[in-house]
Amino acid sequence: DIQMTQSPSSLSASVGDRVTITCRASQGISSYLAWFQQKPGKAPKSLIYDASTLQSGVPSRFSGSGSGTHFTLTISSLQPEDFATYYCQHYRLYPPYSFGQGTKVEIK
Amino acid sequence: EVQLVESGGVVVQPGGSMIISCAASGFTFDDYSMHWVRQVPGKSLEWVSLINWDATRTYYADSVKDRFIISRDNSKNSLYLQMNSLRTEDTAFYYCAKDRASRGYSSGDSWGQGTLVTVSS
Repeated sequence: DIQMTQSPSSLSASVGDRVTITCRASQGISSYLAWFQQKPGKAPKSLIYDASTLQSGVPSRFSGSGSGTHFTLTISSLQPEDFATYYCQHYRLYPPYSFGQGTKVEIK
Repeated sequence: EVQLVESGGVVVQPGGSMIISCAASGFTFDDYSMHWVRQVPGKSLEWVSLINWDATRTYYADSVKDRFIISRDNSKNSLYLQMNSLRTEDTAFYYCAKDRASRGYSSGDSWGQGTLVTVSS
């Protein structure tokens, strides 16, 4: 099975900062990668799929890149509503479709 | 608007069984695969199971294989997860999610609010 590893596990940042989160796959997954945002007590929300395609309604300050085994989620200018936990998930071929362990973005 | 509403989460003893449900609306249910994903409070997301659009294919995480059964009733726009031989480590919020791809396998693009399953004596 494919394992997903995110880094860092947490980070502190200020409003307006540029933030980058990394996700690595244990084997190549082409561009079959999604990113999710989760706020406390809420369900996950889809942000990006196919590594770089923005889900409808997601602000353009969010962007994704990468292919193969190395992927990044970038928030170009962090906003107050962006403080949350972010997860990557692969969906290469057939399940199981594992998630990364999450990256918590906190206020500095 | 896509809506997914889970129900059925209760407290059950170790070794027991239960079934949780997900009622879907706002999309053509029988065109989409559906997922179950769980989350122990304060921990990360764990993909649990997937069923394809016509219920001919099912997939499971190793942690639940041979104990959980995913099913769907397309006439009722409903998804189910039968959970048997429950363990304390199965305690979690269980989310249903609609797959993004029509008649394919992808990630979840719409999620329910979750239902809490507690396994405790």
